[in-house]
Amino acid sequence: DAGITQSPRHKVTETGTPVTLRCHQTENHRYMYWYRQDPGHGLRLIHYSYGVKDTDKGEVSDGYSVSRSKTEDFLLTLESATSSQTSVYFCAIGRGAASYGYTFGSGTRLTVV
Amino acid sequence: RKEVEQDPGPFNVPEGATVAFNCTYSNSASQSFFWYRQDCRKEPKLLMSVYSSGNEDGRFTAQLNRASQYISLLIRDSKLSDSATYLCVVNEADTNAGKSTFGDGTTLTVKP
Repeated sequence: DAGITQSPRHKVTETGTPVTLRCHQTENHRYMYWYRQDPGHGLRLIHYSYGVKDTDKGEVSDGYSVSRSKTEDFLLTLESATSSQTSVYFCAIGRGAASYGYTFGSGTRLTVV
Repeated sequence: RKEVEQDPGPFNVPEGATVAFNCTYSNSASQSFFWYRQDCRKEPKLLMSVYSSGNEDGRFTAQLNRASQYISLLIRDSKLSDSATYLCVVNEADTNAGKSTFGDGTTLTVKP
């Protein structure tokens, strides 16, 4: 299952600093997604991409931006990290528009102090 | 009310038991449905899709009831390795993102 990798796996950062998380896939899937998972909220969509340079907002996009300059890479940037962004971040890929299900990366545990 | 609701459990069952989870959804326009399994501190993994006619994969059976707007997952002959959190996922029409909504998950513990 090495078709999707996330980096870093763990990160501690200070409030107010920018943070970039990376998602890399080798499956050549068109669709890529960033989710966050928090207790009591399940998985919530932050941003998604449906092609190179084609991105859109999800349910909880405030404070986040994304970029996709290559099919294989999808970057999530926290512009100025806040404690409320402490979470587990999962990247996912899909060969169709969600109707085929997703493959998730191993996640990034981010702590903002 | 949440768009997708699951009984959080935990469900504690002995090995060999049959256990069933339900997941209700509020959007009648929902078009595709899935069950994922998530082990502690791991990523969710696709367990199975849910089709209108019902579908089975070994010990696992998934069913969809559109009239009552729920999906179910039945696990027969539970194994210790089935212990995990089970997430249901409901998708709206097939837009670019599919507008997937995840339930919060149902925790299953299978005991010897």
